[in-house]
Amino acid sequence: QKEVEQNSGPLSVPEGAIASLNCTYSDRGSQSFFWYRQYSGKSPELIMSIYSNGDKEDGRFTAQLNKASQYVSLLIRDSQPSDSATYLCAVPPQGGSEKLVFGKGTKLTVNP
Amino acid sequence: ETGVTQTPRHLVMGMTNKKSLKCEQHLGHNAMYWYKQSAKKPLELMFVYNFKEQTENNSVPSRFSPECPNSSHLFLHLHTLQPEDSALYLCASSLPATGETQYFGPGTRLLVL
Repeated sequence: QKEVEQNSGPLSVPEGAIASLNCTYSDRGSQSFFWYRQYSGKSPELIMSIYSNGDKEDGRFTAQLNKASQYVSLLIRDSQPSDSATYLCAVPPQGGSEKLVFGKGTKLTVNP
Repeated sequence: ETGVTQTPRHLVMGMTNKKSLKCEQHLGHNAMYWYKQSAKKPLELMFVYNFKEQTENNSVPSRFSPECPNSSHLFLHLHTLQPEDSALYLCASSLPATGETQYFGPGTRLLVL
């Protein structure tokens, strides 16, 4: 059974701080990694994807991937109250499947 | 309409009822998915369809019956459900390849009494 692990939180940070969200995965052969944001009562929406080791930046969001450690993280700089949501890490298993394995999600609260 | 749509958005049904959930995608994708999201659990993949063919059935009970008449439409037929089946049911679509982004519909909030 392929697994994706996240700290369920809740993670609470003050407005303007950096929020750091972490995810580990069990399938060493996975090649692509996704971060979805899910507001309460809404469906998940993709905010970042990363395929290579290192950092990928998009606005205030930075995804970091370390395949050797089977670890992917999401940093949110200058956190805003509107960033308060549950963040889901998703990883497709090795083997050519289009399916995704999701973590349980980390609930982030940004306090004004 | 754009993106992925789902109807109904909310559904209350008794254990003896039969109902269907509908999903439609307007993105030109060929892969469609049903997920179940229960409180405090990860998103659970139920079914995957690729070019109208079912490619994944994640050990889902037979009281859930999917149907994919074409690449744009996906149904989930429900019958004799149990209260523990109450959850948010999400439909998603993507291009049919590994690592492609999945786009989610708004979901159907189901309550089984």
